[in-house]
Amino acid sequence: DQQVKQNSPSLSVQEGRISILNCDYTNSMFDYFLWYKKYPAEGPTFLISISSIKDKNEDGRFTVFLNKSAKHLSLHIVPSQPGDSAVYFCAASSNNQGGKLIFGQGTELSVKP
Amino acid sequence: DGGITQSPKYLFRKEGQNVTLSCEQNLNHDAMYWYRQDPGQGLRLIYYSQIVNDFQKGDIAEGYSVSREKKESFPLTVTSAQKNPTAFYLCASSPGGGRSYGYTFGSGTRLTVV
Repeated sequence: DQQVKQNSPSLSVQEGRISILNCDYTNSMFDYFLWYKKYPAEGPTFLISISSIKDKNEDGRFTVFLNKSAKHLSLHIVPSQPGDSAVYFCAASSNNQGGKLIFGQGTELSVKP
Repeated sequence: DGGITQSPKYLFRKEGQNVTLSCEQNLNHDAMYWYRQDPGQGLRLIYYSQIVNDFQKGDIAEGYSVSREKKESFPLTVTSAQKNPTAFYLCASSPGGGRSYGYTFGSGTRLTVV
């Protein structure tokens, strides 16, 4: 049972435009959400996070939105740059899972010059 | 410079052999994790340890074993019982609970069965 789902395996956007990556979850006990960025043959690196008490968190070009009623979060990258091309994973955690992170399948973003 | 070191970066295994993947961290983190990445399946949890001398199975523990004798080290053994071991393996650590700052990941080990 996939508790965290990223239904788009890939996304292609033009440099300078907005990239929107989506993530859905099923477990209502999740209360902390994170986005990671991964380049090929490297480990993921932390990008941005959001607590369930918020609906938005912003860090430079990256903004994460959380819609708890829809069990949906999204990552906005504005403006997109070619260096943003990578696989993006969303992850979720809850107290009753011992702090483990549950990851989605990932979305491969390609930003074209 | 603190971080997580995974070795080797590439590993080839013959069928029927056990292999051990190394993971060492100098971040003084209590918790450590092993994930496996396969195309289209994201990161799946194999084993995790929240304290020395204790570890728990993740979602896909069959065919794998771990030990946590030292805080800094969390080696993963891929046994011959693992039916499809070819994958990219990632080790991670967190201060504890994986909450506020998420995980710090190593650079991964690509295991190929030949």
